[in-house]
Amino acid sequence: EPEVTQTPSHQVTQMGQEVILRCVPISNHLYFYWYRQILGQKVEFLVSFYNNEISEKSEIFDDQFSVERPDGSNFTLKIRSTKLEDSAMYFCASRGSGQGEYSHRGYTFGSGTRLTVV
Amino acid sequence: GQQLNQSPQSMFIQEGEDVSMNCTSSSIFNTWLWYKQEPGEGPVLLIALYKAGELTSNGRLTAQFGITRKDSFLNISASIPSDVGIYFCAGHPNSGYALNFGKGTSLLVTP
Repeated sequence: EPEVTQTPSHQVTQMGQEVILRCVPISNHLYFYWYRQILGQKVEFLVSFYNNEISEKSEIFDDQFSVERPDGSNFTLKIRSTKLEDSAMYFCASRGSGQGEYSHRGYTFGSGTRLTVV
Repeated sequence: GQQLNQSPQSMFIQEGEDVSMNCTSSSIFNTWLWYKQEPGEGPVLLIALYKAGELTSNGRLTAQFGITRKDSFLNISASIPSDVGIYFCAGHPNSGYALNFGKGTSLLVTP
């Protein structure tokens, strides 16, 4: 079964450093997402990306965050200057072109990157 | 964003028991989804609900989209140890396809 692949699985970084989290979405998917989950809390939406641009973003996704699809297969999330409160699991998700009622059936999450900021 | 209240927060049951959890919203949702998350993994979609009153099953799982569009429940019948995990409800807000998740119900099943 097709998978969304995320690397690295764990990342430890010092406060103030830049990190790039990488994702390889399912190959024929068109919509890409980043979510985060602070330990013990709910999954929170960060940003959605379609046709090489951000289509929607949450209040969490401030100027410290950026996303990019540098080539035909990768989708990255960059945090420019990490803060302690950025420590969380970051999930990438992708879905195909199904609309409306069918839009969530191909919505696949990766296994996540655990980011620890020290 | 729209708030989702999920309950109970955790459940500790014996194998073979039935389980029920629910989710309520302060406002109307057009879509209700139920996900399961196991340790070290991302959420996996269990059931998707698109119409008020809709009742959908997936094996031992049954979920319903409330008539008011502000609530949904998930039932698991005859639980087994591999049902262990965190179950999240999620809703589709009106804009785009971003998902709004509940805080999760942690399920533990003892043999």
